[in-house]
Amino acid sequence: DIQMTQSPSSLSASVGDRVTITCRASQPITRYLNWYQQKPGKAPNLLIYAASSLQSGVPSRFSGSGSGTDFTLTISSLQPEDFATYYCQQSYTTPITFGQGTRLEIK
Amino acid sequence: QVQLVESGGGVVQPGRSLRLSCAASGFTFSYYAIHWVRQAPGKGLEWVAVISFNGNDKYYADSVKGRFTISRDNSKNTLYLQMNSLRVEDTATYYCVRAPRPHTTMAKFDHWGQGTLVTVSS
Repeated sequence: DIQMTQSPSSLSASVGDRVTITCRASQPITRYLNWYQQKPGKAPNLLIYAASSLQSGVPSRFSGSGSGTDFTLTISSLQPEDFATYYCQQSYTTPITFGQGTRLEIK
Repeated sequence: QVQLVESGGGVVQPGRSLRLSCAASGFTFSYYAIHWVRQAPGKGLEWVAVISFNGNDKYYADSVKGRFTISRDNSKNTLYLQMNSLRVEDTATYYCVRAPRPHTTMAKFDHWGQGTLVTVSS
């Protein structure tokens, strides 16, 4: 199975900050890497797919990069509604696997 | 618009069975692979199973293999998850998720249902 490791596990930041979350795959997954945002009590919401493509309707302050085994999600200027938990996911092969999540909290 | 509505969750004793359903609307159900993803209370996301657009290909997480069965009825636009021999560790919210391609991998999860809670407890 492909293990997905996110860092950090939690992060405190302020409105307006630039934030980067990293995700590492235990083996190459080309660009089959997706990012999701989840708020408490809600289903996850797709932000970035294929490592760097912005899902329709997602604000442009979200961006993704990487290929192979190393990936990043960047939020260029944090907004109050961005405080949530973020997950990476590889869809390259089954079993599909998720990172453990990064909880983004208000400083 | 795309909608996925799960049902069938509830409280069940260990060792018993439960069947979840997911009713789809707003898109051509028979074109797409559909996944089940679960989330234990306060924990992260865990992929459970996937079925291809025509039901011919099915894959499972090791944690549920041999106990859970994914199926679909394209004539009813409905996905199912038959869960047998339930364990306490199966307690979670179960989400039905669309992947916008017909096959089981290499796709984003672009639409999620609201989830249905399964609690396994004696």
